[in-house]
Amino acid sequence: QSALTQPPSASGSPGQSVTISCTGTSRDVGGYNYVSWYQQLPGKAPKLIIYDVSNRPSGVPDRFSGSKSGNTASLTVSGLLAEDEADYYCSSFAGNSYVFGTGTKVTVL
Amino acid sequence: QVQLVQSGAEVKNPGASVKVSCKASGYTFTDFYMHWVRQAPGQGLEWMGWINPNNGDTSYAQNFQGRVTVTRDTSISTAYVELSRLRSDDTAMYYCTSHYHTTGYFSFALWGQGTVVTVSS
Repeated sequence: QSALTQPPSASGSPGQSVTISCTGTSRDVGGYNYVSWYQQLPGKAPKLIIYDVSNRPSGVPDRFSGSKSGNTASLTVSGLLAEDEADYYCSSFAGNSYVFGTGTKVTVL
Repeated sequence: QVQLVQSGAEVKNPGASVKVSCKASGYTFTDFYMHWVRQAPGQGLEWMGWINPNNGDTSYAQNFQGRVTVTRDTSISTAYVELSRLRSDDTAMYYCTSHYHTTGYFSFALWGQGTVVTVSS
């Protein structure tokens, strides 16, 4: 099972938006509506921010949104804040297993 | 309080085995699959496998087939991952993670604090 492909980095100024892509195959991203996104701050465990493609857990700001088209899922962070600077990972159910993305480092300029 | 608490750091020689534990509290242990995910220093997340605490069924990532075993002890709400024939590139942070009813059954809502495993001679 190959890792899902994410851009290594993304950046934006405070208040701007940034979108991160997550490309897989029909055996994972394209085959199921079970893509999730995680935010990881340095030295911390990942935190779930989007589940089932576009749903936000309680307490996650609505600045975070998710979508999917075909084999590619996307995470958009709107109204960037300094505290959004972190690593972001996508993940997808893939039948009897799971696969994570390669990760994207978001920098707030 | 819903939480997953993992065992402490481990240092192992190449070729040895390591077993990491993850104790669940604040919810019914058998309600949700428990997964193990690892992260090598400076690298991304890698899914290793899951266990259904209800019946002990397991599934493992192809990369770890034959080297990883996930077990559970329902009497103490604890899951374990054991990795054998350790190599230097197994040096990583190992996390247990689980689903939760408020966020569906295909995402990882609960995370342990992580256990550092260092493989070095």
